[in-house]
Amino acid sequence: KNQVEQSPQSLIILEGKNCTLQCNYTVSPFSNLRWYKQDTGRGPVSLTIMTFSENTKSNGRYTATLDADTKQSSLHITASQLSDSASYICVVSVGGSYIPTFGRGTSLIVHP
Amino acid sequence: DTAVSQTPKYLVTQMGNDKSIKCEQNLGHDTMYWYKQDSKKFLKIMFSYNNKELIINETVPNRFSPKSPDKAHLNLHINSLELGDSAVYFCASSQDRTLAGSPGEQYFGPGTRLTVT
Repeated sequence: KNQVEQSPQSLIILEGKNCTLQCNYTVSPFSNLRWYKQDTGRGPVSLTIMTFSENTKSNGRYTATLDADTKQSSLHITASQLSDSASYICVVSVGGSYIPTFGRGTSLIVHP
Repeated sequence: DTAVSQTPKYLVTQMGNDKSIKCEQNLGHDTMYWYKQDSKKFLKIMFSYNNKELIINETVPNRFSPKSPDKAHLNLHINSLELGDSAVYFCASSQDRTLAGSPGEQYFGPGTRLTVT
């Protein structure tokens, strides 16, 4: 069964600090992995997409890593800002399928 | 310009009613989707649709049906609404699929909060 597990479920940090969110998956055959950011009251917005051959991908202060051997991904946020407060969702796509597998998300709160 | 739009933003209705949520995308994408997000913020895909095929998540009750008048629109019809249908519904679109055969990056609408009383 295809599954995506995210940790922690929620995280509170101070503005300016770094943090790392984790995503473990059991999806086969693996096609790609995306991280989405969802602000309260809005739809998710894509941050990064990684395929099997990519280990690291950055988007500003967001850096995603992928270890296809251990089936793990992480999203590292550098120098957090108040606007980073959101839910971060890991989504893994299965090759040949229109039905991606979603994680339950990590709720991040950045305090001033 | 709004890429993916949904109407209405809020919908309050009684059990047993039939309702529709409209979705439009102006991105020229080939594939559109409907998602349900429950109170615990878990996003669950309901349908994936392009002009060639409709993919239905097998867990979706047949009271839910997508209707696509053209490539830019995918409306969601819900019959005999139940209390458990209360959730936020998101429409999304993507440019068909990647070379690997899975959907391209999805662009989400702002969501429709459905409350069934």
